[in-house]
Amino acid sequence: QVQLQESGPGLVKPSETLSLTCTVSDDSFSFYYWSWIRQPAGKGPEWIGRLLPSGSTDYNPSLKSRVTMSVDTSKKQISVRLSSVTAADTAVYYCARGGGVTNGMDVWGQGTTVTVSS
Amino acid sequence: SFELTQPLSVSVAPGQTARVTCGGDNIGTKNVHWYQQKPGQAPVLVIYRDNNRPSGIPDRFSGSNSGDTATLTISRAQAEDEADYFCQVWDSCVVFGGGTKLTVL
Repeated sequence: QVQLQESGPGLVKPSETLSLTCTVSDDSFSFYYWSWIRQPAGKGPEWIGRLLPSGSTDYNPSLKSRVTMSVDTSKKQISVRLSSVTAADTAVYYCARGGGVTNGMDVWGQGTTVTVSS
Repeated sequence: SFELTQPLSVSVAPGQTARVTCGGDNIGTKNVHWYQQKPGQAPVLVIYRDNNRPSGIPDRFSGSNSGDTATLTISRAQAEDEADYFCQVWDSCVVFGGGTKLTVL
């Protein structure tokens, strides 16, 4: 079973850029959609965006102006960058396999907590 | 943007059937996925494409989708089913429902 591991700073200052990486454990990397999702404490999940096998990306319209997703196939890593963060960006950030129309997100990382604070 | 409406909470007695609804405009035309999330854990996909169970999910979990409502049904509810449940669709982006807390009491 494929495993996903998120990594990155747990604390980011307001107005700076949040950067996280998700490492995929197997070679299925190139065949699936990969999504980033975040979840503030006590709230429901919010989808950030997805990376398609073609390398193209789709983003949540509410975050589109601040989000960039990228891939490093040699390292089997998907990255997300969120610029100009505020306290409202404090959340647990997950990467997950999937995010297409017909299938759900069937594999999730354990999540990483990011706090935005000075 | 597309909105999904879930009840905040549902209660069920052990061994009985719980139904968690997810409302949305003509949701019956969309593929609905359901996730279970226990405290401190990542969500787990329990139903995809309305009524399909991923490998390892008990057959007590089932789903339906028609008209303006999708429903997750948990038969023979067990204490271990107590969790938050979220529905999800694609509508130009991934959209999640607000979540339903299922209590087994």
